[in-house]
Amino acid sequence: DARVTQTPRDKVTEMGQEVTMRCQPILGHNTVFWYRQTMMQGLELLAYFRNRAPLDDSGMPKDRFSAEMPDATLATLKIQPSEPRDSAVYFCASGSGGAGTEAFFGQGTRLTVV
Amino acid sequence: DAKTTQPPSMDCAEGRAANLPCNHSTISGNEYVYWYRQIHSQGPQYIIHGLKNNETNEMASLIITEDRKSSTLILPHATLRDTAVYYCTHAGGTSYGKLTFGQGTILTVHP
Repeated sequence: DARVTQTPRDKVTEMGQEVTMRCQPILGHNTVFWYRQTMMQGLELLAYFRNRAPLDDSGMPKDRFSAEMPDATLATLKIQPSEPRDSAVYFCASGSGGAGTEAFFGQGTRLTVV
Repeated sequence: DAKTTQPPSMDCAEGRAANLPCNHSTISGNEYVYWYRQIHSQGPQYIIHGLKNNETNEMASLIITEDRKSSTLILPHATLRDTAVYYCTHAGGTSYGKLTFGQGTILTVHP
């Protein structure tokens, strides 16, 4: 059963600490998306990659957030330093990259910054 | 960004068809209509998508009007497990994952 895997599922950290969230896209998918969901803002696109290259990260706060794909099986989203306003559920999604195809979401990482 | 209008909530009896409408009057010619749902803050689950023809899969059917400005998602035999927030959105070509979700429709399926 192919699925997007995200780790950790839950993370509680103190303000100022570095946080790294990981995503394993579905095998063979070449496009990866990072989303953030909060009660106030709903689901927001932060960044996305195709063939490991960043295509759009305009939704991401540049000063503290960074996203990378070290290889085709791993995408990372880092926050340094973390702040309480970063508390949210972060979702990764992947797709095969073709026009009109669909993206599949992982179960998310629930981040709480205290 | 995609602009869609959906009713905030709907109810449906178990075993009956659930018909969820969506208005997407700003859709562009190359954009597909996508439907996702989200249960209890789990990750959004893909349901179905289409360009202009009606589509059907094992989960649902999608009816798109001829002018493509609106669509209806049909769950033919709703179950209690279909209770969720349903999102309609549209995206084009290879930007299929650049999804903008509005508030969606909270569908409650009653026994």
